[in-house]
Amino acid sequence: AQKVTQAQTEISVVEKEDVTLDCVYETRDTTYYLFWYKQPPSGELVFLIRRNSFDEQNEISGRYSWNFQKSTSSFNFTITASQVVDSAVYFCALSGRGNTPLVFGKGTRLSVIA
Amino acid sequence: NAGVTQTPKFQVLKTGQSMTLQCAQDMNHEYMSWYRQDPGMGLRLIHYSVGAGITDQGEVPNGYNVSRSTTEDFPLRLLSAAPSQTSVYFCASSYSGGLLETQYFGPGTRLLVL
Repeated sequence: AQKVTQAQTEISVVEKEDVTLDCVYETRDTTYYLFWYKQPPSGELVFLIRRNSFDEQNEISGRYSWNFQKSTSSFNFTITASQVVDSAVYFCALSGRGNTPLVFGKGTRLSVIA
Repeated sequence: NAGVTQTPKFQVLKTGQSMTLQCAQDMNHEYMSWYRQDPGMGLRLIHYSVGAGITDQGEVPNGYNVSRSTTEDFPLRLLSAAPSQTSVYFCASSYSGGLLETQYFGPGTRLLVL
């Protein structure tokens, strides 16, 4: 069975601080994809990134970076110099081979205080 | 492209009533799915479809029906609404199954069952 664990339920930081959101996954598939989605207070789900299981290179996009480590089954997300607009619920998700639907973690609520 | 659209945005039902949540996409995506989001639970899969005429159950299918007569539409039917079905419902679509493609989400339907 596939499982995604986001142990941090809520995080609160002061603006300009760096913050890391943790994601640990379980799967028996050797080929799989990992995702991060953002859900701002307006409620929509915004796709942030997708990584496949064969590519462990870290990814950086502006203030966002992702650290994928198969050895620890983790796919952590770091926001550098956080801003109030980063306040949202962030979901990590996993999909496997074929038509396996996405499995989501329970989400981490990030509050960035000005 | 309008992307993934959902109607209505908000609905109040009485226990025992039935209704259909509409979902449509104009991206010619084969794969569509329905999730419900409850506080502290993340997103849980209700039903999904890998193409017209094909549907399958997800993690929490009880009390819901789906059909997929066209590629574009994937309605979710509540047969006899219960307070436990109070939730936010998201529809998502992608070109194929979860392995290769990112799922894109509609804006959500907020349902309150009294």
